[in-house]
Amino acid sequence: KQEVTQIPAALSVPEGENLVLNCSFTDSAIYNLQWFRQDPGKGLTSLLLIQSSQREQTSGRLNASLDKSSGRSTLYIAASQPGDSATYLCAGKETSGSRLTFGEGTQLTVNP
Amino acid sequence: GAGVSQSPSNKVTEKGKDVELRCDPISGHTALYWYRQSLGQGLEFLIYFQGNSAPDKSGLPSDRFSAERTGGSVSTLTIQRTQQEDSAVYLCASSLTLTSGDGYTFGSGTRLTVV
Repeated sequence: KQEVTQIPAALSVPEGENLVLNCSFTDSAIYNLQWFRQDPGKGLTSLLLIQSSQREQTSGRLNASLDKSSGRSTLYIAASQPGDSATYLCAGKETSGSRLTFGEGTQLTVNP
Repeated sequence: GAGVSQSPSNKVTEKGKDVELRCDPISGHTALYWYRQSLGQGLEFLIYFQGNSAPDKSGLPSDRFSAERTGGSVSTLTIQRTQQEDSAVYLCASSLTLTSGDGYTFGSGTRLTVV
């Protein structure tokens, strides 16, 4: 059974800092991995989707990597802004399965 | 539609009453999923539908929970005899197919409060 862990649970940084959010998963037979953002009281917004055959994906100031052999994914946020404050969730889709398994999330606060 | 639509956005109900939550997926998406997010908790899988196949109900927490998907599109999640522990945000998502590499698109959720 796939288990997904996110570290740290919470992170507070000053504006402008580059930061890395970590996600680890137990089953390397992962089909794809998706990073989401959740604002308080809101649903999930998809940020990046990485297929198992890919190493990384980039969108603007965001870069996500996937290393299946080590069971890790990272989300890199460059030049952080207060508007980046939110909870970031990673979720893995199993090869033979159908559902996404979510981590507990990292709550990010970017201070002006 | 352009995105996944859920209604109502908020629902307050009395303990013991039944509630229905609605999800309208993206047009053409054959796979539909329901998740639950309790306060301070991660996302808990409830059920998924894929086309005309039998749904995977393995995540439903009790027999008070049921879901239907009519005509392969709109889905309704029903909770009977609601309890306070049912209070949570119920999130619906859809994807192109069950086994494709496409990502999920989530709706904004229904916040259910049982008083």
